[in-house]
Amino acid sequence: AQKITQTQPGMFVQEKEAVTLDCTYDTSDPSYGLFWYKQPSSGEMIFLIYQGSYDQQNATEGRYSLNFQKARKSANLVISASQLGDSAMYFCAMREAISGGYNKLIFGAGTRLAVHP
Amino acid sequence: KAGVTQTPRYLIKTRGQQVTLSCSPISGHRSVSWYQQTPGQGLQFLFEYFSETQRNKGNFPGRFSGRQFSNSRSEMNVSTLELGDSALYLCASSLVAGGIYEQYFGPGTRLTVT
Repeated sequence: AQKITQTQPGMFVQEKEAVTLDCTYDTSDPSYGLFWYKQPSSGEMIFLIYQGSYDQQNATEGRYSLNFQKARKSANLVISASQLGDSAMYFCAMREAISGGYNKLIFGAGTRLAVHP
Repeated sequence: KAGVTQTPRYLIKTRGQQVTLSCSPISGHRSVSWYQQTPGQGLQFLFEYFSETQRNKGNFPGRFSGRQFSNSRSEMNVSTLELGDSALYLCASSLVAGGIYEQYFGPGTRLTVT
């Protein structure tokens, strides 16, 4: 069964330091995509980064990088040089490229990140 | 390029009423998906539309329905509202259905049922 697990309900980090948010997943589909979204208190879901299951290199987008360890079914988000504006909920999500190609995302429970000055 | 827009942003309804939420995807995107977010259940998939056809549906009662128009705009309807329907409703658009493509979300509609 498809499942996303985020084991850290809350995380604290000092401004300008790096932080890693954990995400593990479970799927039997060899083709899938992994996503990270940021949700500020306003509620909007902001797309951060995407990793395809066949991508050879870890995805990077500015200060965000995805540490993809396929054998361990792990897709941790690394935020470098944290900023106060990074304080938000972070969700890991997965989509399987199942027959028919449905765009259904399975989300984890989220990690609330607080960046301290 | 404009992002995903959702209207209204906030809504207060009474139990038993019905409500219609609207979502306009990013220009050129043909797939629209809807999600419900509650503190207890988290983010849950409602349904997805592509080319005016519902392609997939989550585990929600028949009171939840939707449709998509020829311009890819989508609406979702909840009839006979219950207190438990209070939630943030998010829609997401994607370029195509199938394959692995990014999904971009709108700001959401916060529905409160009293």
